[in-house]
Amino acid sequence: SQTIHQWPATLVQPVGSPLSLECTVEGTSNPNLYWYRQAAGRGLQLLFYSVGIGQISSEVPQNLSASRPQDRQFILSSKKLLLSDSGFYLCAWSVGYYNEQFFGPGTRLTVL
Amino acid sequence: AQKVTQAQTEISVVEKEDVTLDCVYETRDTTYYLFWYKQPPSGELVFLIRRNSFDEQNEISGRYSWNFQKSTSSFNFTITASQVVDSAVYFCALRPPGNQFYFGTGTSLTVIP
Repeated sequence: SQTIHQWPATLVQPVGSPLSLECTVEGTSNPNLYWYRQAAGRGLQLLFYSVGIGQISSEVPQNLSASRPQDRQFILSSKKLLLSDSGFYLCAWSVGYYNEQFFGPGTRLTVL
Repeated sequence: AQKVTQAQTEISVVEKEDVTLDCVYETRDTTYYLFWYKQPPSGELVFLIRRNSFDEQNEISGRYSWNFQKSTSSFNFTITASQVVDSAVYFCALRPPGNQFYFGTGTSLTVIP
């Protein structure tokens, strides 16, 4: 069966510090991978998605970046965090043209 | 333009009441899929159902049922005899051709014991 992992589960970082969140998927090949951010009490904001290794589509211009160094690994990064980067970060995967997404457990990021 | 609207921001019901969560979508594509997800307090989104644009049959799964009406571009979700464990945020989503999903802003459901 397929499994998606995210780490860390929670993170508290000072403004201006770097960020690296990792997401890995097991049990499937060539998945589409997605990063979403959810601010407190708000909906989901798509940040990046990837259809293959090295292929990244950015939806929202900001100080975040994403990379996909391996087929089932998706990394979200920042060189300098802003207060507005606080939120709940969710990684998701899907396969096929119309199939559903499956979400990871998420990372709660607090920038102080 | 692709858009999903969940006009109900918050709903509170007393346990055992029925509750319907509304979802209205916009798309010009003729082929698309619709989804519902549940986000409990733990945060992880849980997939509930997928529906394609060519299948307007209603679906029932236990206490859950879904009403898809293409004529009104709606895909509503009803919970019958609600329980405290149903308390969560529920998201409706649209997937037109391509790789992107379009989510509504969610409806927060509180079931009061």
